[in-house]
Amino acid sequence: SQQGEEDPQALSIQEGENATMNCSYKTSINNLQWYRQNSGRGLVHLILIRSNEREKHSGRLRVTLDTSKKSSSLLITASRAADTASYFCATVVGSSYKLIFGSGTRLLVRP
Amino acid sequence: GAGVSQSPRYKVAKRGQDVALRCDPISGHVSLFWYQQALGQGPEFLTYFQNEAQLDKSGLPSDRFFAERPEGSVSTLKIQRTQQEDSAVYLCASSFRLAGMNEQFFGPGTRLTVL
Repeated sequence: SQQGEEDPQALSIQEGENATMNCSYKTSINNLQWYRQNSGRGLVHLILIRSNEREKHSGRLRVTLDTSKKSSSLLITASRAADTASYFCATVVGSSYKLIFGSGTRLLVRP
Repeated sequence: GAGVSQSPRYKVAKRGQDVALRCDPISGHVSLFWYQQALGQGPEFLTYFQNEAQLDKSGLPSDRFFAERPEGSVSTLKIQRTQQEDSAVYLCASSFRLAGMNEQFFGPGTRLTVL
């Protein structure tokens, strides 16, 4: 079974706009990771945020984590057509090692 | 350096046939994972190796699924007597050290279609 739920399931925006994706999960976590998947490059790690962190940046990506609400958001600023992909959040629970993925958000960036 | 590689990239099997999927992790990576991804879903954990030891196989759907990593590098996922519900993309991932604390590097996957 999957731990997380992403919202929205699908998102279509114009190039240059910002895209925000949300992830909710059920149990306490050690860390939360965001991955991107497209047909060209497979599943690629984007960013990891630990349970004691609230916000993290990497280039055009901004991730927030609210452990009280068991939710995270991924913001992509100034989107590009190349950002078109499916985005997944994945949690690591306790001292375990496996990633538990959500169902993903399919992002389409129109040129 | 090379990333995680998987072979074959595509496999079509007749129901009841046995298949073997191979994963070559990044050299030196201690941790290796197999995930199964159904169409339109996120990957789901199957099994985990630390070096040659299979520490968790709780995600394997049935005893028809078997994985090994005998020398702590290459891994093989074997599915016996394939069924249509086994159709999915099988992803392999590796991680340098303590898995869970670090990112996992994924291979391109093997798309298995069972007819």
